[in-house]
Amino acid sequence: DTEVTQTPKHLVMGMTNKKSLKCEQHMGHRAMYWYKQKAKKPPELMFVYSYEKLSINESVPSRFSPECPNSSLLNLHLHALQPEDSALYLCASSPWAGGPTDTQYFGPGTRLTVL
Amino acid sequence: GQQVMQIPQYQHVQEGEDFTTYCNSSTTLSNIQWYKQRPGGHPVFLIQLVKSGEVKKQKRLTFQFGEAKKNSSLHITATQTTDVGTYFCAGPGSNDYKLSFGAGTTVTVRA
Repeated sequence: DTEVTQTPKHLVMGMTNKKSLKCEQHMGHRAMYWYKQKAKKPPELMFVYSYEKLSINESVPSRFSPECPNSSLLNLHLHALQPEDSALYLCASSPWAGGPTDTQYFGPGTRLTVL
Repeated sequence: GQQVMQIPQYQHVQEGEDFTTYCNSSTTLSNIQWYKQRPGGHPVFLIQLVKSGEVKKQKRLTFQFGEAKKNSSLHITATQTTDVGTYFCAGPGSNDYKLSFGAGTTVTVRA
């Protein structure tokens, strides 16, 4: 299995809702990432997990809460989001510890709309 | 913030023509990676360059890493409609631990 899967593909939520995004990889990769991508912009790093431990939090607001239950799974819990949080949320994984020489494998993304 | 600058932002190409997109950094890069994102898709890894002056080819795509390891280029020959998309270069970020993406070059092809 050489892919990263993400669910759901699309999500519409209100500002008072709580939802979760899920990501899974079975490539034995040791690092997993969450990115946010706005239209016509590059992916913007949010979080990095290395060996199931949070290694980078790019000053993301606390309404986004990551979780890594095991080496294959990555969740992003969403609560009290704002309309400006609407974006494509990409999960990625890489073979090693998550440094800048690791090549990253991206999932198809979850397109999130916050009303 | 972004550590690599990418130009041009947009490239409109006649089918069959060649084009080049460039990636520049003010600091020496340990490596540079290139990704392609098709419209409506997700970034897909293309290549990684590590050595000074390195040149790698993938069919009609030629990737170069500068001698000073501060710039890189992607050259596509005989552009096809399948080349449509946004090409991102990515290098070490501000804390040298994460990967930081350039702004991307969005390519459209006129048939």
